[in-house]
Amino acid sequence: DIQMTQSPSSLSASVGDRVTITCRASQSISNSLNWYQQKPGEAPKLLIYAASSLQSVVPSRFSGSGSGADFTLTISSLRPEDFATYYCQQTYSAPWTFGQGTRVEIK
Amino acid sequence: QVQLQESGPGLVKPSETLSLICTVSGGSVSSGSYYWSWIRQPPGKGLEWIGYIYNSGSTNYDPSLKSRVTISLHTSENQFSLKLNSVTAADTAVYYCARSRMVSGVVMLYFWGQGTLVTVSS
Repeated sequence: DIQMTQSPSSLSASVGDRVTITCRASQSISNSLNWYQQKPGEAPKLLIYAASSLQSVVPSRFSGSGSGADFTLTISSLRPEDFATYYCQQTYSAPWTFGQGTRVEIK
Repeated sequence: QVQLQESGPGLVKPSETLSLICTVSGGSVSSGSYYWSWIRQPPGKGLEWIGYIYNSGSTNYDPSLKSRVTISLHTSENQFSLKLNSVTAADTAVYYCARSRMVSGVVMLYFWGQGTLVTVSS
């Protein structure tokens, strides 16, 4: 199975801050990496697919990069509505594993 | 717009079988090339992929659950289902159903249900 490791597990940031979350796979997964945002009490929502492609209606302050085994989700200027938990997921091979999540909290 | 809705008992006794249905609207479970998936989230914890069924009927399950789980398509009702047997308290979670989309060879979970909480308790 491919293990996905996110870091940090949580972070505190202020509105306007630049935030970077990393996701590392235990082996190369090409670009088969997706990012989801989850707010309390809600289902996850797809943010970025194929490592760097922005889902439609997702603001351009979100971006993704990486390929192979190392990936990054960046929020260029944090907005109040961005405080949530973010998950990476690989779909390179089953089982489709998720990272453990990164909780972004208000400082 | 495809919509998914989970339904089933909110309380299941230990050692019994958890059974959930995902009803799909705005699309057919028997057309296209999609992975119909189940994902769960224990209270206060992260997302856990359970498995999927492809339109062809082929399935793939998480190894830790494989001996206890069955995902099936029910084309006439436009639904797919999850059965998890011999449940314990560790199976208490919000259960989500989801449908995939593929772009440039990469699969993503594009449409999600709202989730349903299943508690395992006597």
